[in-house]
Amino acid sequence: AQSVTQLGSHVSVSEGALVLLRCNYSSSVPPYLFWYVQYPNQGLQLLLKYTSAATLVKGINGFEAEFKKSETSFHLTKPSAHMSDAAEYFCAVRRGADGLTFGKGTHLIIQP
Amino acid sequence: DAGVTQSPTHLIKTRGQQVTLRCSPKSGHDTVSWYQQALGQGPQFIFQYYEEEERQRGNFPDRFSGHQFPNYSSELNVNALLLGDSALYLCASSTLLGTSGILISYNEQFFGPGTRLTVL
Repeated sequence: AQSVTQLGSHVSVSEGALVLLRCNYSSSVPPYLFWYVQYPNQGLQLLLKYTSAATLVKGINGFEAEFKKSETSFHLTKPSAHMSDAAEYFCAVRRGADGLTFGKGTHLIIQP
Repeated sequence: DAGVTQSPTHLIKTRGQQVTLRCSPKSGHDTVSWYQQALGQGPQFIFQYYEEEERQRGNFPDRFSGHQFPNYSSELNVNALLLGDSALYLCASSTLLGTSGILISYNEQFFGPGTRLTVL
């Protein structure tokens, strides 16, 4: 079985500050890992994915994530937050051709 | 390329009724997955269709059924609606990858905007 835990249902940062959204996973086999973003009343957009290549993954909009097997983590970071980053962020895990298993999400709030 | 499209965008039903939601995949994709996203929660996998057959299913009752057509579009049907079925239903399309007839992965899933179902 797979599961994803996102620490912090809400994270608030100031504009220009570092963004850190935490994700821990459990999987019986090496997983594929993903971060998705969801803006209000919209579907999900892929930010980045880990597929067993480089452990540091760069995505769109300046986001990146590091896969740490020893910590079973895949935390999402961005050096400098922008107001447009305010959204819901979901971490997800997948084995092979299985469906995605999502975390409960983290609501990112950007303070001006 | 229109991407993944879903219809309708919003739907209001009453308990006990039946509903059909529709999804057209991104051009070139052959696989459709459906997810249920309750308010304030992450999406939950319902099932996946490939070659017009359900190839994988999440932890959802038989009231949830689907279909995939030869043009790869898909329908999600929910019978005997419950209040708890109120959610955003997301469709995602992709292309399954495999070797020697064994499906081992798929490329990126593209999500549609969803259908908001309200059950009264």
